[in-house]
Order: sequence, then C-alpha cells, then structure tokens
Amino acid sequence: ETGVTQSPTHLIKTRGQQVTLRCSSQSGHNTVSWYQQALGQGPQFIFQYYREEENGRGNFPPRFSGLQFPNYSSELNVNALELDDSALYLCASSWRRQGRTEAFFGQGTRLTVV
Amino acid sequence: DQQVKQNSPSLSVQEGRISILNCDYTNSMFDYFLWYKKYPAEGPTFLISISSIKDKNEDGRFTVFLNKSAKHLSLHIVPSQPGDSAVYFCAARDSHGGSQGNLIFGKGTKLSVKP
Repeated sequence: ETGVTQSPTHLIKTRGQQVTLRCSSQSGHNTVSWYQQALGQGPQFIFQYYREEENGRGNFPPRFSGLQFPNYSSELNVNALELDDSALYLCASSWRRQGRTEAFFGQGTRLTVV
Repeated sequence: DQQVKQNSPSLSVQEGRISILNCDYTNSMFDYFLWYKKYPAEGPTFLISISSIKDKNEDGRFTVFLNKSAKHLSLHIVPSQPGDSAVYFCAARDSHGGSQGNLIFGKGTKLSVKP
C-alpha cells in the first residue's frame, strides 16, 4: 500500500474526446509525476509537478496537460484523444530531496480509446 | 533510442534458487538507479535503489549491484519465492534531467518462480 490513489481505475473513451485522470498523492509528498505505460513497454515519463508548477516534461504533445493542487493532489488531462493514447496511466508521488528519488506509484488508470 | 535496456523479456527460476535480473544503460549522466516490481492490475512497487557512488546495496533477500564502467546493473533475489513472480522494471534518473524524479524505465523482465 503506497498511499497513492488514482481514479478511475478503468475508462473507455471515444477518439477525439477529452479525459481527466486524478491522483491523490501520498501524505507528505510534494512532487507528483505522471507516466504512460503502453502494453509490453516500461512506463514513459509524461511530466512532473512540484509545488503546483510543471517541473519537467517528457516527449508528449501539448494536448497532454496537468495540474497540481495545494493539497498536492493532481490531474492529468488529455485532449483530442487518439487510439494510441490507450495505455495504463500511472501517477507517482515523491518527496523532493537531495540524493533520493524513490517514487511511489498508484495502481494506475487503464484508458481505452475506441 | 532506449537508454535503459532489459534484454531478457522473461526469466524462469526454481523456488529457493537465485534470480538474477539484468539491466544495461547508455547514459553516463544517470546517477541513481531503482528496481520496481509490478503485479498485474497494480502499479509498480519500489523494491531497492542504488546511488552511482556505490557498487552494491542490500535489503533482505534483494541485492543490487552496479558496474559503472560497464554501465550495467543487476538485481539478485536470494532465495527466490513463488510470490516474487512479477514483472521487474529497472529505472534510472538523469542527474542533469529537467526534473527531479524523472525516471527512465526499461521494458521489464517477467520473472516466474516455480515451486
């Protein structure tokens, strides 16, 4: 049990629609990262938020956006969904400190785009 | 171009024996390495980590070895148990990356421990 919870656990959307995924960070953690895991692949970094500001972004288009709230919970928004966006979306929270960077993951949201 | 490579998609080991999972990386700026375990329908669970200034870290049955000159790390599980059956991901952090905690993952190795 990591204390990181994501909702919903499963979601089916139609191509072109928009989706919002939610994450509640582990208590005391001030950093949240989002990852996309396609079938048979490792998680790929989407972006990270630290103290409500984006703090790094992977190779994902601008239609992937996010928010971090004062209580350190977070949202991932994806606009204009494409079939290739079908994947497991993982949220990871961590405490930003020198030398250590263990991230603790939620169970993920399985998004299917049809 | 994959910066973290796990070249064995699967590994099968007998219960009680040693499991050795391997990982290679290409980026010399990686300064921190982690292993995660993932069961189906769950998120990855942190197992063990190692800083680039060390060559070994041990936690119970799990030991991670780092060979910087070879850009290679391995996870040893001794003794292996059926409950260890899962997908294991190797991950690395780029010390010059744009964000703390931006982890780069390998594709994973599926470990099966047979009773």
